[in-house]
Amino acid sequence: DSGVTQTPKHLITATGQRVTLRCSPRSGDLSVYWYQQSLDQGLQFLIQYYNGEERAKGNILERFSAQQFPDLHSELNLSSLELGDSALYFCASSVEAEGSAYEQYFGPGTRLTVT
Amino acid sequence: SQKIEQNSEALNIQEGKTATLTCNYTNYSPAYLQWYRQDPGRGPVFLLLIRENEKEKRKERLKVTFDTTLKQSLFHITASQPADSATYLCALIGTGRRALTFGSGTRLQVQP
Repeated sequence: DSGVTQTPKHLITATGQRVTLRCSPRSGDLSVYWYQQSLDQGLQFLIQYYNGEERAKGNILERFSAQQFPDLHSELNLSSLELGDSALYFCASSVEAEGSAYEQYFGPGTRLTVT
Repeated sequence: SQKIEQNSEALNIQEGKTATLTCNYTNYSPAYLQWYRQDPGRGPVFLLLIRENEKEKRKERLKVTFDTTLKQSLFHITASQPADSATYLCALIGTGRRALTFGSGTRLQVQP
């Protein structure tokens, strides 16, 4: 158990809909990262937050947005969903802002299926 | 363009042997390189981190080497066990950047 929690575990929704994925980092970790993993794309970095502020942005679509709240939990919002958005979405946390210097702890993931 | 390459073919070895996985990169100047293990349907688990000024790092049965001239990292599991069967991902970050970029991973299958 990494100490990172994600809800829900599974999500099935229709195209055009909007969903919210939630992540609680490990106790004491200030950085939260979101990743998307699909079969043909591997693990893709989406966005990082550090202590409530956006720190780094990856290949995140404009239809996607995220935020980190004062209690450090984070939410990833996906809107106007398309079939291609079906994937595993992972949240990870680490101690420091410069994530590469420290290991990242991954949550169990949310499996999103868009039908 | 920047690329991280890991052997997409599964590596099959016998229990007790040493598994060696390769991570090659191009157009990166990584300050750090990390290795993760991922089981099907689960989140990656951190294994080892090696810095650009370190040649080798060990942890129990695991060993990582980092050759910035060859632009390559090797990940070794000695005395491999069936429980080591998983996908192993390398991840790195360029100097001055913040986000980790992951390779596509190599699946290791250890036969009893």
